[in-house]
Amino acid sequence: SAVISQKPSRDICQRGTSLTIQCQVDSQVTMMFWYRQQPGQSLTLIATANQGSEATYESGFVIDKFPISRPNLTFSTLTVSNMSPEDSSIYLCSVSPPGAGEQYFGPGTRLTVT
Amino acid sequence: AQSVTQPDIHITVSEGASLELRCNYSYGATPYLFWYVQSPGQGLQLLLKYFSGDTLVQGIKGFEAEFKRSQSSFNLRKPSVHWSDAAEYFCAVGAGGDMRFGAGTRLTVKP
Repeated sequence: SAVISQKPSRDICQRGTSLTIQCQVDSQVTMMFWYRQQPGQSLTLIATANQGSEATYESGFVIDKFPISRPNLTFSTLTVSNMSPEDSSIYLCSVSPPGAGEQYFGPGTRLTVT
Repeated sequence: AQSVTQPDIHITVSEGASLELRCNYSYGATPYLFWYVQSPGQGLQLLLKYFSGDTLVQGIKGFEAEFKRSQSSFNLRKPSVHWSDAAEYFCAVGAGGDMRFGAGTRLTVKP
């Protein structure tokens, strides 16, 4: 398994601003993922962030809106840029340790945009 | 394409009663299947997983799930529900970065 922490745990932001979410893992992992969970909804994959390569974005998500950094095997950041109320969601990072099929999730960042 | 269906959006059970949450999947090969639980304000916690072998898998917190290939199902069960089991439950199919989640089933537990 893996233990994942996220910062901040929650934030309230004004529209037009940006927020950077940090994800820290207690072990080295290659595959790290960022998800969005809109209120009352399931998880939607934003992008896969593998160390040493550019993040791979899912359909409907673009780098200009959700830039991702992955500087090493234990850390990643997701920035939500030029926010609007529609960006109000829980943002979750997860990892899939080497040889594991499952993913382990952080506690999430609850973002409210006013 | 792989997909997951959780037919029940919301289920209410009495404390001490048995529980079964349904999950149906569509997958081109032998699936990797998972159940996760999300308590309010929390991330997702892995309850159990099925990769191969015995089709009845045991998980944490007294949960079990049974893989039925003929029915494309992976239903989650618990013989006696506790108030602390109230949460959102997600079924997922896939592996590594190629994982698909169901819409979730919200469980309410009545005293």
